[in-house]
Amino acid sequence: DAGVIQSPRHEVTEMGQEVTLRCKPISGHDYLFWYRQTMMRGLELLIYFNNNVPIDDSGMPEDRFSAKMPNASFSTLKIQPSEPRDSAVYFCASRGSGANVLTFGAGSRLTVL
Amino acid sequence: AQKVTQAQTEISVVEKEDVTLDCVYETRDTTYYLFWYKQPPSGELVFLIRRNSFDEQNEISGRYSWNFQKSTSSFNFTITASQVVDSAVYFCALSEKKNDMRFGAGTRLTVKP
Repeated sequence: DAGVIQSPRHEVTEMGQEVTLRCKPISGHDYLFWYRQTMMRGLELLIYFNNNVPIDDSGMPEDRFSAKMPNASFSTLKIQPSEPRDSAVYFCASRGSGANVLTFGAGSRLTVL
Repeated sequence: AQKVTQAQTEISVVEKEDVTLDCVYETRDTTYYLFWYKQPPSGELVFLIRRNSFDEQNEISGRYSWNFQKSTSSFNFTITASQVVDSAVYFCALSEKKNDMRFGAGTRLTVKP
């Protein structure tokens, strides 16, 4: 298996622009998680899905952030409009229902100028 | 409230020294899981170990060992005879409902030659 695949790996954008981060979980995994990592706040859980349904989005910072999972093999995290404080590494992770070990993607490093 | 506390922000040791990374957790659940992940300089998050709340057996894997003590709500990680390649940020994490996973702030370990 190719593991959890995230794209883009690096994104540089200007304040006010829309940013879309993408994630392909491991095939057969029915849980998908989005985390954000910053120096100040560490690894924060933003949202997670089970069987494509959002279960807990209490970590989503504000309305500018939204996440979708239209099918079992694809999820997006969108920021609109982006702000410099959104600069961070965003990780996607997935796991199967029988185990709770998360497998992480390589991360998407976002820089908002 | 913070659920996972890693009080050591940074640790620096000289190669071949033993080092222990501390992790204290907080939960009201009787069933929970504890984890350690490693984040090397390349940035990916690598799973090291999972322990459930009913298994207090200590575990050893090569130079790595873990000490789980429910009485003190701690799950400490020891590296014996540290090597330069052990330099990384190490995260302790807690999964209370088997579905989500919350991370501590991480401990940056530097092993000097």
